Amino acid sequence: QVQLVESGGGVVQPGGSLRLSCAASGFTFSYYGMHWVRQAPGKGLNWVAFIRYDGTNKYYADSVKGRFTISRDNSTNTLYLQMNTLRPEDTAVYYCAKALRPDSPFDYWGQGTLVTFSS
Amino acid sequence: SHVLTQPPSVSVAPGKTATIACGGNNIGSKSVHWYQQKPGQAPVLVIYYDSDRPSGIPERFCGSNSGNTATLTISRVEAGDEADYYCQVWDSGTDHYVFGTGTKVTVL
Repeated sequence: QVQLVESGGGVVQPGGSLRLSCAASGFTFSYYGMHWVRQAPGKGLNWVAFIRYDGTNKYYADSVKGRFTISRDNSTNTLYLQMNTLRPEDTAVYYCAKALRPDSPFDYWGQGTLVTFSS
Repeated sequence: SHVLTQPPSVSVAPGKTATIACGGNNIGSKSVHWYQQKPGQAPVLVIYYDSDRPSGIPERFCGSNSGNTATLTISRVEAGDEADYYCQVWDSGTDHYVFGTGTKVTVL
């Protein structure tokens, strides 16, 4: 069965960096585009980034462009999100989700990993 | 970028019909997808390409899209349908993905 397992979340200080991973199994990872979506505590869903199946195209939300980088390794079925210059407003649960094409729905989501800030 | 507006909450009695609107400028020209999110869980796709249902989603869930409003309709509502629901589109002009503001469905 399809599995997407996020990891790498944790507590970070403003200006810090973090790399999230999403391990995929149960489907042909190299055929699918992949998204990162985040959800601040008690808030709605916000799209973060998308990468095409072969990594050739990447799209970013305006709020993270220039600070976050999405990448993938099709040899290990892993999606990444490198987050730099983190801000308190980046606090959220980060989900990875798969989508066949750019216009496709997010047809399966992982359980998410939480990024929070130290006070 | 595209803005999608949903009512914050909808309350419905068991067995009745819940209707959730998703408003956006000329949304009828885009494909709309809908997600259900229960507390503490990841979102689940319930309607895609306006009105298609993934396998395993009950026929009680229906979608439509025209003009400036997309609609998710849940018929014969059950207690297990209580959740947050989000609409979503892809803005091909900006290559951005937009979620609606979300609607909390409460079963009375």
